[in-house]
Amino acid sequence: KNEVEQSPQNLTAQEGEFITINCSYSVGISALHWLQQHPGGGIVSLFMLSSGKKKHGRLIATINIQEKHSSLHITASHPRDSAVYICAVKAGGSEKLVFGKGTKLTVNP
Amino acid sequence: SQTIHQWPATLVQPVGSPLSLECTVEGTSNPNLYWYRQAAGRGLQLLFYSVGIGQISSEVPQNLSASRPQDRQFILSSKKLLLSDSGFYLCAWSRGVTLSGNTIYFGEGSWLTVV
Repeated sequence: KNEVEQSPQNLTAQEGEFITINCSYSVGISALHWLQQHPGGGIVSLFMLSSGKKKHGRLIATINIQEKHSSLHITASHPRDSAVYICAVKAGGSEKLVFGKGTKLTVNP
Repeated sequence: SQTIHQWPATLVQPVGSPLSLECTVEGTSNPNLYWYRQAAGRGLQLLFYSVGIGQISSEVPQNLSASRPQDRQFILSSKKLLLSDSGFYLCAWSRGVTLSGNTIYFGEGSWLTVV
């Protein structure tokens, strides 16, 4: 079993829909990262969380440390949001990030 | 501002040939540096990370090696490529001692196809 599980694996939505991507992890962590990987392969960091909630534009990320769960929400989704979204956790005491396998999001116009 | 570059962007190499992927970071000093691989249909896998010049930690036994000859330079190498080495390789960096309070930044990636 992976230490980081994401769901769903694939997600198709219509433009304007509210999107939720989930990430569950089994290890104690000191930080959780949400990353976005575009079709060309490039990866950008969206959020780094250790508690609570962060918002950037139409993106919202939340984390519940007790439940070992994080969600990434996209409001008013747009076709340009189509990408693979990856959750990664930093286990306490390590400099390594453990990655989920990603959620492929397709937003249709 | 800080930037990260890696090259080449695309590489097609025959089995048994050597490999050298290079990554450089600008605009910061003493970064933590990482090499990741993403095989088709799989998640990112940490290959090597470095917290300083000449300090390399290997995460996965394989025929790859990494070196950090300068503070902001990280090189991924192989003496003899295998078909299974094909994939998307990403260099990344972060500030300071810990990823807890620091964002990780990725290079553009290198597509390697071993034929």
